[in-house]
Amino acid sequence: EVQLVESGGGLVQPGGSLRLSCAVSGFTFSTYWMNWVRQAPGKGLEWVANMNQDASEIYYVDSVKGRFTISRDNTNNLLYLQMNSLRADDTAVYFCARDSQDSSGNRHAALDSWGQGTLVTVSS
Amino acid sequence: DIVMTQSPDSLAVSLGERATINCKSSQSIFYSANNRNYLAWYQQKPGQPPKLLIYWASTRESGVPDRFSGSGSGTDFTLTISSLQAEDVAVYYCHHYYVTPPTFGQGTKVEIK
Repeated sequence: EVQLVESGGGLVQPGGSLRLSCAVSGFTFSTYWMNWVRQAPGKGLEWVANMNQDASEIYYVDSVKGRFTISRDNTNNLLYLQMNSLRADDTAVYFCARDSQDSSGNRHAALDSWGQGTLVTVSS
Repeated sequence: DIVMTQSPDSLAVSLGERATINCKSSQSIFYSANNRNYLAWYQQKPGQPPKLLIYWASTRESGVPDRFSGSGSGTDFTLTISSLQAEDVAVYYCHHYYVTPPTFGQGTKVEIK
């Protein structure tokens, strides 16, 4: 069974930092693109960042560039999101999500598996 | 960035009736080289993560009931629930994955009338 479990959320002051983790199991982590997607309270979904299998391709939404860093540990099946210089508008539930693949291993970037999310609250 | 606009923002449908949600992209998300539309639909129930329903605009994810169907091409897409069930009450999102950044529609809340 595919499982993604986020951790690391919490309350942080503006300007502070947090590192989110996503522990995955049930699939070969090292063969998938992975994503972070966030959802502000009562709002819609916003893609934050993604990366390919060997970290040679990494992308961010403009609003987090220079502040957030996505990374992965393929040995231990972990995805990370280092968040620095946090702002009130970063307050959200952060989900890790897996890109889908077809039976030949070709990526098609719909998000077929999601964790339950971890809440990040930026407030003084 | 490609803007995804859903309509309506909410709708109330009687049990067993059809629910239709529209999604319009600000530019075409059809890639002629592989004849595919880079569009997905998700269902999100309160307190849960989104669940993938449809990808490539019309391909149903494994395990998704066949009352859910997707259609459309280019810039205009539709998610149809052919016979609404109580468990379908949720917010539905469209999502393009044509270019970076991928973006989502604002969501459509489906309720029982």
